[in-house]
Amino acid sequence: AQTVTQSQPEMSVQEAETVTLSCTYDTSESDYYLFWYKQPPSRQMILVIRQEAYKQQNATENRFSVNFQKAAKSFSLKISDSQLGDAAMYFCAYRTAFGNEKLTFGTGTRLTIIP
Amino acid sequence: EAGVTQSPTHLIKTRGQQATLRCSPISGHTSVYWYQQALGLGLQFLLWYDEGEERNRGNFPPRFSGRQFPNYSSELNVNALELEDSALYLCASSLGGQPYNEQFFGPGTRLTVL
Repeated sequence: AQTVTQSQPEMSVQEAETVTLSCTYDTSESDYYLFWYKQPPSRQMILVIRQEAYKQQNATENRFSVNFQKAAKSFSLKISDSQLGDAAMYFCAYRTAFGNEKLTFGTGTRLTIIP
Repeated sequence: EAGVTQSPTHLIKTRGQQATLRCSPISGHTSVYWYQQALGLGLQFLLWYDEGEERNRGNFPPRFSGRQFPNYSSELNVNALELEDSALYLCASSLGGQPYNEQFFGPGTRLTVL
């Protein structure tokens, strides 16, 4: 079974600075998808960024980028130019490439933005 | 376009009672997923429905059950409620068939068991 580990329960960053959230996972599969989801205090979970395991190029979405290290099974999220609206719980998630299956989530990292 | 909706927002029950939670997916989405988010834990997968059929369930007892209706909306039922069932229950929907399809989440139902 796949597992996802987020070892940083809480992180904080100064506004306009850069922060990196860590995520590691365990799987025996070679093809899969990795996601970062954001859950603001209002609770609605939204997708931040998605990475396909067979693509070596790291995904980027505006100020959000990932460092995907397949051999190390590591998938970190970098947020550049942090803004107050980035404050939220961030969840790393795994999904098999075989079938429209469930997401397996880590326990989350609470990110605080310091003005 | 309307997003995923869930009702009720909050639900308070006593131990032993039954709870029914509802979810309406985004129009055109055929897959509905249910997740439990207990305090301090990540999201735990509960159930997946697609085209009216239960496709997969997580490691939860049989008193957690549900169904998907012909209009693809879904219902989660929790029987014989226990205190540890208190959690935020999130529903997500996606287009069926492809694993890279994004799951869109609803705002959740907060279930409190007294």
